Formats: sequence, C-alpha cells, structure tokens
Amino acid sequence: GQQVMQIPQYQHVQEGEDFTTYCNSSTTLSNIQWYKQRPGGHPVFLIQLVKSGEVKKQKRLTFQFGEAKKNSSLHITATQTTDVGTYFCAGPPPMDSNYQLIWGAGTKLIIKP
Amino acid sequence: DTEVTQTPKHLVMGMTNKKSLKCEQHMGHRAMYWYKQKAKKPPELMFVYSYEKLSINESVPSRFSPECPNSSLLNLHLHALQPEDSALYLCASSQVGAREQYFGPGTRLTVT
Repeated sequence: GQQVMQIPQYQHVQEGEDFTTYCNSSTTLSNIQWYKQRPGGHPVFLIQLVKSGEVKKQKRLTFQFGEAKKNSSLHITATQTTDVGTYFCAGPPPMDSNYQLIWGAGTKLIIKP
Repeated sequence: DTEVTQTPKHLVMGMTNKKSLKCEQHMGHRAMYWYKQKAKKPPELMFVYSYEKLSINESVPSRFSPECPNSSLLNLHLHALQPEDSALYLCASSQVGAREQYFGPGTRLTVT
C-alpha cells in the first residue's frame, strides 16, 4: 500500500539554527498537509500544498511540494524555542477518499540547551 | 470559532468499566473523526462520520463504539478495554471533501 516516509526521526539544533524535515511518498499525491504537535499537545494544521512545485511561506517556515508531487519539505529558518514539537506530513491515499490521510512518522525538533 | 473540544482530558478506567469520550465542534464541519495516538507515533484513524453517518471504520475492535448524535457532537463509547488500548484519543473535524483536519486536545486514556 501507499507509504509516506518522513526523515529524520529527530533533529537536535541549537536555537537560531535551521531545521528541515522531508517527506517522500511511494505514489503521487493530490495534495500534502503539514501538522505540528507540541509536546503534550495535539496536531495543529499548518498548511496544505496542492500544486506541483508549490512553495508557501509562513514567517520563518517554508513549505515545498515537489514537481512530481511525491515529495515535500518543511524548512524552518532560525529556530526558536516555540518551534519545539513534532512535525508531521500527511497525504491522501490514491483511492477516492475524502477523509483518509496517510501520515508520515513525524520529525521531532529538539532545541539543545 | 475554530475550536474542537473534548472531555474528559484524562481518564483512568478498569478493564470491566464502561465509559464515554465526548467531542464537540461548532465550525459547521460535517465530517468528524476519531483517532488513536500512541507515544512517538502519528495519529491512527479509527472512525469517520460524514453527515452524521458512519463512513469509515478502520477495523476497530467492537469494544470501541462510536456515535454521532448530531452534526456537532461525536462520542466514543468504551467497554471492556485492554491495557494496550491506553493512548491519546483525538477527535478531529473537517469540511467534507476538504483535507485539512482540526483536532481537539485529546483524551489521555489509561486502562488498568
């Protein structure tokens, strides 16, 4: 079945350094979503990418959707303590479904003390 | 109002107990979801309701019984759970056909 691979599993950074997480799907995605889950919290929707090659920015966060619509990335510039959490990508399965999402395993952003 | 609420926040129950989790949203969304999330894992879809009808059941054991009394409310009835059912149970909602889902804060369930 369809898989969404997300790497790395963890990333330790110094505050002020950049952070990037990558997602790769085994099949073409109609769209991809990104969610953030703070420690002890719940997933919060960040953004949805739909178009091939799409790039969207939210302040220090840059989201990209690959030309083939099989991969995506989230890049955070100059991390802050408020960025700590786990970032998940998620995309719909190939079959017609309005509801299901295939989730990546998540990348946990850890700020070194 | 972009909030999904869930009660209770925490629940400890024995394997013979019956309890219910509740979820409410006032965003006018007609799709509502139950997810189970284990530590360090992504959410795992359990059920989807669309227009108050059960649309998806991801082969969830019958000890979990969902209910959607109206377009704003979603319940999850629990009976004879196992310790391995201990997890964070998340409710979410979305517009039908839209992909972005809005999650509630979850109920952290411990089965003893």
